[in-house]
Amino acid sequence: QLVLTQSPSASASLGGSVKFTCTLSSGHSSYAIAWHQRQPEKGPRYLMKLSSDGSHSKGDGIPDRFSGSSSGAERYLTISNLQSEDEAEYYCQTWGTGIHVFGGGTKLTVL
Amino acid sequence: EVQLLESGGGLVQPGGSLRLSCAASGFTFSSYAMSWVRQAPGKGLEWVSTISGSGGGTYYADSVKGRFTISRDNSKNTLYLQMNSLRAEDAAIYYCAKLGGSGYQYPHDLWGQGTLVTVSS
Repeated sequence: QLVLTQSPSASASLGGSVKFTCTLSSGHSSYAIAWHQRQPEKGPRYLMKLSSDGSHSKGDGIPDRFSGSSSGAERYLTISNLQSEDEAEYYCQTWGTGIHVFGGGTKLTVL
Repeated sequence: EVQLLESGGGLVQPGGSLRLSCAASGFTFSSYAMSWVRQAPGKGLEWVSTISGSGGGTYYADSVKGRFTISRDNSKNTLYLQMNSLRAEDAAIYYCAKLGGSGYQYPHDLWGQGTLVTVSS
Protein backbone atom coordinates (compact mmCIF):
# COMPACT_ATOMS: atom_id res chain seq x y z
CA GLN A 1 0.00 0.00 0.00
CA LEU A 2 1.29 3.42 -1.00
CA VAL A 3 1.67 5.54 2.13
CA LEU A 4 3.56 8.74 2.93
CA THR A 5 4.61 9.42 6.53
CA GLN A 6 5.36 12.88 7.94
CA SER A 7 5.98 14.16 11.44
CA PRO A 8 2.98 16.20 12.65
CA SER A 9 4.88 19.25 13.81
CA ALA A 10 8.15 21.16 13.63
CA SER A 11 9.51 24.44 14.89
CA ALA A 12 12.46 26.63 13.99
CA SER A 13 13.68 30.16 14.58
CA LEU A 14 13.17 33.18 12.37
CA GLY A 15 16.17 33.37 10.03
CA GLY A 16 17.11 29.76 10.71
CA SER A 17 16.44 26.63 8.71
CA VAL A 18 14.24 23.55 8.94
CA LYS A 19 14.23 20.18 7.19
CA PHE A 20 11.05 18.20 6.70
CA THR A 21 11.02 14.46 6.05
CA CYS A 22 8.53 12.47 4.01
CA THR A 23 8.96 8.69 4.08
CA LEU A 24 7.62 6.43 1.33
CA SER A 25 6.19 3.05 2.29
CA SER A 26 8.08 -0.17 1.68
CA GLY A 27 8.43 -1.05 -1.99
CA HIS A 28 7.89 2.51 -3.17
CA SER A 29 11.32 4.04 -2.60
CA SER A 30 11.72 4.97 -6.29
CA TYR A 31 8.63 7.16 -6.40
CA ALA A 32 8.79 10.87 -7.07
CA ILE A 33 6.83 13.15 -4.77
CA ALA A 34 5.66 16.74 -4.66
CA TRP A 35 5.80 19.20 -1.78
CA HIS A 36 2.97 21.62 -1.11
CA GLN A 37 2.55 24.47 1.37
CA ARG A 38 -0.75 25.53 2.90
CA GLN A 39 -0.66 28.86 4.69
CA PRO A 40 -3.49 29.73 7.11
CA GLU A 41 -6.70 30.74 5.37
CA LYS A 42 -5.23 30.09 1.92
CA GLY A 43 -5.37 27.32 -0.65
CA PRO A 44 -2.36 25.03 -1.02
CA ARG A 45 0.65 26.15 -3.05
CA TYR A 46 2.79 23.81 -5.11
CA LEU A 47 6.44 24.03 -4.11
CA MET A 48 8.27 21.40 -6.13
CA LYS A 49 8.43 17.96 -7.65
CA LEU A 50 11.21 15.84 -6.14
CA SER A 51 12.57 12.69 -7.75
CA SER A 52 14.30 9.74 -6.13
CA ASP A 53 17.71 10.94 -7.31
CA GLY A 54 17.20 14.29 -5.58
CA SER A 55 16.58 16.29 -8.72
CA HIS A 56 13.74 18.72 -8.29
CA SER A 57 11.76 21.26 -10.29
CA LYS A 58 10.17 24.12 -8.40
CA GLY A 59 6.90 25.85 -9.03
CA ASP A 60 6.69 29.36 -10.41
CA GLY A 61 7.93 32.00 -8.01
CA ILE A 62 9.22 29.61 -5.35
CA PRO A 63 12.25 31.24 -3.71
CA ASP A 64 15.71 29.69 -3.67
CA ARG A 65 15.28 29.32 0.10
CA PHE A 66 13.24 26.19 -0.65
CA SER A 67 15.17 23.11 -1.74
CA GLY A 68 14.62 19.37 -1.97
CA SER A 69 16.74 16.26 -1.59
CA SER A 70 16.29 12.48 -1.41
CA SER A 71 17.87 9.48 0.27
CA GLY A 72 16.43 6.01 -0.22
CA ALA A 73 12.76 6.10 0.69
CA GLU A 74 13.03 9.53 2.29
CA ARG A 75 12.28 12.81 0.61
CA TYR A 76 13.26 16.08 2.20
CA LEU A 77 12.20 19.70 2.00
CA THR A 78 14.60 22.26 3.44
CA ILE A 79 13.70 25.88 4.04
CA SER A 80 16.53 28.26 4.88
CA ASN A 81 16.43 31.85 6.14
CA LEU A 82 12.99 31.23 7.64
CA GLN A 83 10.47 34.03 7.32
CA SER A 84 7.28 34.54 9.31
CA GLU A 85 5.20 33.73 6.22
CA ASP A 86 6.76 30.26 6.13
CA GLU A 87 4.62 29.32 9.13
CA ALA A 88 2.26 26.89 7.44
CA GLU A 89 1.41 23.24 6.89
CA TYR A 90 3.66 21.29 4.54
CA TYR A 91 2.38 18.23 2.70
CA CYS A 92 4.11 15.66 0.55
CA GLN A 93 2.14 13.96 -2.18
CA THR A 94 2.73 11.11 -4.60
CA TRP A 95 0.81 9.11 -7.15
CA GLY A 96 0.32 5.49 -8.08
CA THR A 97 -1.88 3.63 -10.56
CA GLY A 98 -4.94 5.83 -10.69
CA ILE A 99 -4.52 7.20 -7.20
CA HIS A 100 -2.97 10.13 -5.40
CA VAL A 101 -1.74 10.02 -1.84
CA PHE A 102 -0.94 12.80 0.61
CA GLY A 103 1.14 12.59 3.72
CA GLY A 104 -0.46 13.69 6.97
CA GLY A 105 1.28 17.06 6.83
CA THR A 106 3.74 18.84 9.10
CA LYS A 107 2.75 22.05 10.83
CA LEU A 108 5.67 24.47 11.02
CA THR A 109 5.90 27.05 13.79
CA VAL A 110 8.38 29.88 13.23
CA LEU A 111 9.67 31.07 16.59
CA GLU B 1 -3.65 35.11 -15.07
CA VAL B 2 -3.49 31.40 -14.33
CA GLN B 3 -6.12 30.57 -11.75
CA LEU B 4 -8.77 28.18 -10.51
CA LEU B 5 -11.97 29.42 -8.89
CA GLU B 6 -14.25 27.01 -7.04
CA SER B 7 -17.92 27.56 -6.31
CA GLY B 8 -20.99 25.64 -5.23
CA GLY B 9 -20.19 24.87 -1.63
CA GLY B 10 -22.73 25.30 1.13
CA LEU B 11 -24.81 23.63 3.82
CA VAL B 12 -26.50 20.36 2.94
CA GLN B 13 -28.31 17.76 5.03
CA PRO B 14 -26.96 14.22 5.42
CA GLY B 15 -28.06 12.18 2.43
CA GLY B 16 -28.32 15.27 0.27
CA SER B 17 -26.52 16.31 -2.91
CA LEU B 18 -24.33 19.17 -3.99
CA ARG B 19 -22.51 20.06 -7.19
CA LEU B 20 -19.19 21.86 -7.06
CA SER B 21 -17.71 23.79 -9.99
CA CYS B 22 -14.20 25.00 -10.74
CA ALA B 23 -13.62 27.64 -13.41
CA ALA B 24 -10.14 27.54 -14.93
CA SER B 25 -8.36 30.36 -16.75
CA GLY B 26 -4.92 31.23 -18.09
CA PHE B 27 -3.97 27.80 -19.47
CA THR B 28 -5.13 25.26 -22.07
CA PHE B 29 -7.65 23.48 -19.86
CA SER B 30 -8.13 20.40 -22.03
CA SER B 31 -4.40 19.59 -21.93
CA TYR B 32 -4.34 18.91 -18.21
CA ALA B 33 -5.83 16.42 -15.81
CA MET B 34 -7.70 17.93 -12.89
CA SER B 35 -8.44 16.82 -9.35
CA TRP B 36 -10.58 17.53 -6.35
CA VAL B 37 -8.79 17.42 -2.99
CA ARG B 38 -10.44 18.10 0.36
CA GLN B 39 -9.44 19.08 3.86
CA ALA B 40 -11.77 18.32 6.75
CA PRO B 41 -11.59 20.51 9.88
CA GLY B 42 -8.41 19.73 11.81
CA LYS B 43 -7.30 17.14 9.27
CA GLY B 44 -4.82 16.97 6.41
CA LEU B 45 -5.29 17.03 2.67
CA GLU B 46 -7.19 14.08 1.21
CA TRP B 47 -7.31 13.24 -2.48
CA VAL B 48 -10.90 12.79 -3.71
CA SER B 49 -10.89 12.32 -7.48
CA THR B 50 -8.96 12.97 -10.71
CA ILE B 51 -10.08 13.24 -14.32
CA SER B 52 -7.82 13.11 -17.38
CA GLY B 53 -7.51 16.02 -19.79
CA SER B 54 -9.85 14.44 -22.31
CA GLY B 55 -12.29 13.34 -19.64
CA GLY B 56 -11.88 9.72 -20.69
CA GLY B 57 -10.21 8.60 -17.47
CA THR B 58 -11.67 9.10 -14.01
CA TYR B 59 -10.29 7.97 -10.66
CA TYR B 60 -11.77 8.04 -7.19
CA ALA B 61 -10.75 7.56 -3.60
CA ASP B 62 -12.45 4.56 -2.00
CA SER B 63 -14.17 6.89 0.49
CA VAL B 64 -16.24 8.54 -2.27
CA LYS B 65 -16.47 5.84 -4.95
CA GLY B 66 -20.06 5.29 -6.02
CA ARG B 67 -21.27 8.54 -4.43
CA PHE B 68 -19.23 11.25 -6.16
CA THR B 69 -18.82 11.86 -9.90
CA ILE B 70 -16.11 14.00 -11.44
CA SER B 71 -16.63 15.52 -14.87
CA ARG B 72 -15.39 18.37 -17.03
CA ASP B 73 -16.59 20.58 -19.86
CA ASN B 74 -13.53 21.54 -21.88
CA SER B 75 -15.57 23.97 -23.99
CA LYS B 76 -16.35 25.92 -20.81
CA ASN B 77 -12.98 25.38 -19.06
CA THR B 78 -14.88 24.05 -16.07
CA LEU B 79 -14.43 21.10 -13.74
CA TYR B 80 -17.31 19.63 -11.71
CA LEU B 81 -17.85 17.36 -8.74
CA GLN B 82 -21.32 15.91 -8.25
CA MET B 83 -21.64 14.75 -4.65
CA ASN B 84 -24.56 12.49 -3.70
CA SER B 85 -25.49 10.67 -0.49
CA LEU B 86 -23.44 13.13 1.51
CA ARG B 87 -22.27 12.13 4.98
CA ALA B 88 -21.06 14.13 7.95
CA GLU B 89 -17.52 12.98 7.20
CA ASP B 90 -17.66 14.62 3.76
CA ALA B 91 -17.70 18.06 5.39
CA ALA B 92 -14.53 19.84 4.30
CA ILE B 93 -13.00 22.57 2.22
CA TYR B 94 -12.90 21.22 -1.33
CA TYR B 95 -10.00 22.36 -3.51
CA CYS B 96 -9.76 22.15 -7.26
CA ALA B 97 -6.25 21.39 -8.50
CA LYS B 98 -4.51 21.17 -11.87
CA LEU B 99 -2.07 18.38 -12.60
CA GLY B 100 1.16 18.85 -14.53
CA GLY B 101 0.03 16.79 -17.54
CA SER B 102 -2.93 15.17 -19.22
CA GLY B 103 -2.90 11.94 -17.19
CA TYR B 104 -3.05 11.14 -13.48
CA GLN B 105 0.69 10.55 -13.09
CA TYR B 106 1.69 14.13 -12.37
CA PRO B 107 1.81 16.28 -9.26
CA HIS B 108 -0.77 18.94 -8.58
CA ASP B 109 0.90 22.19 -9.64
CA LEU B 110 -1.90 24.75 -9.32
CA TRP B 111 -4.56 25.03 -6.64
CA GLY B 112 -7.73 27.01 -6.10
CA GLN B 113 -8.78 28.78 -2.92
CA GLY B 114 -11.36 26.19 -2.01
CA THR B 115 -15.10 26.03 -1.34
CA LEU B 116 -16.59 24.95 1.99
CA VAL B 117 -19.04 22.07 2.21
CA THR B 118 -20.92 21.61 5.47
CA VAL B 119 -23.03 18.50 6.04
CA SER B 120 -25.43 18.88 8.93
CA SER B 121 -29.09 18.52 9.80
